[in-house]
Amino acid sequence: GAGVSQSPSNKVTEKGKDVELRCDPISGHTALYWYRQSLGQGLEFLIYFQGNSAPDKSGLPSDRFSAERTGGSVSTLTIQRTQQEDSAVYLCASSYYNEQFFGPGTRLTVL
Amino acid sequence: GQQLNQSPQSMFIQEGEDVSMNCTSSSIFNTWLWYKQDPGEGPVLLIALYKAGELTSNGRLTAQFGITRKDSFLNISASIPSDVGIYFCVVREGNQFYFGTGTSLTVIP
Repeated sequence: GAGVSQSPSNKVTEKGKDVELRCDPISGHTALYWYRQSLGQGLEFLIYFQGNSAPDKSGLPSDRFSAERTGGSVSTLTIQRTQQEDSAVYLCASSYYNEQFFGPGTRLTVL
Repeated sequence: GQQLNQSPQSMFIQEGEDVSMNCTSSSIFNTWLWYKQDPGEGPVLLIALYKAGELTSNGRLTAQFGITRKDSFLNISASIPSDVGIYFCVVREGNQFYFGTGTSLTVIP
């Protein structure tokens, strides 16, 4: 079945580099969420897209983080000038009504 | 964000035992959800609760939406090794989903 996919599955980068993480939501789902999960922790909300509305960016931790969603489908989360504290698993979810469907996540390691 | 207190933080049980975990909040929510996260995967919805007092089962899982709308519990009966993972309670407020800190379950064969 066509679930939520994310790429890459793992990303190792050097401090100060920029990274792009991609999310392909389930076709027809108008809502898309990005979360960050540090080791052994719960999910921290980052950003939410709903259709053509302006995104809810209230969870982005700094201006180094940005995200866009093209054509109401694929989304890219960009982290500029990465820091070691950005190391985490970044999860994307698409939603229809009350259920969120999560991708497998991208594990980001900043050296 | 909203504060969800989930307990216990971790559990180590023998295969076949029953499990109970709960989640409380200081605010009222009209939707409570329980998710499970397997290692290396994203969370997957187990049970959704939409009505105060509602008791819902899904196989060996049973969850209840507290009458005050400020709490919920999840029970797992006759645990098996594949129940291992992290269980999250989640509440919905508008378009936002807020996750509890999770209960890590280990099942010893």
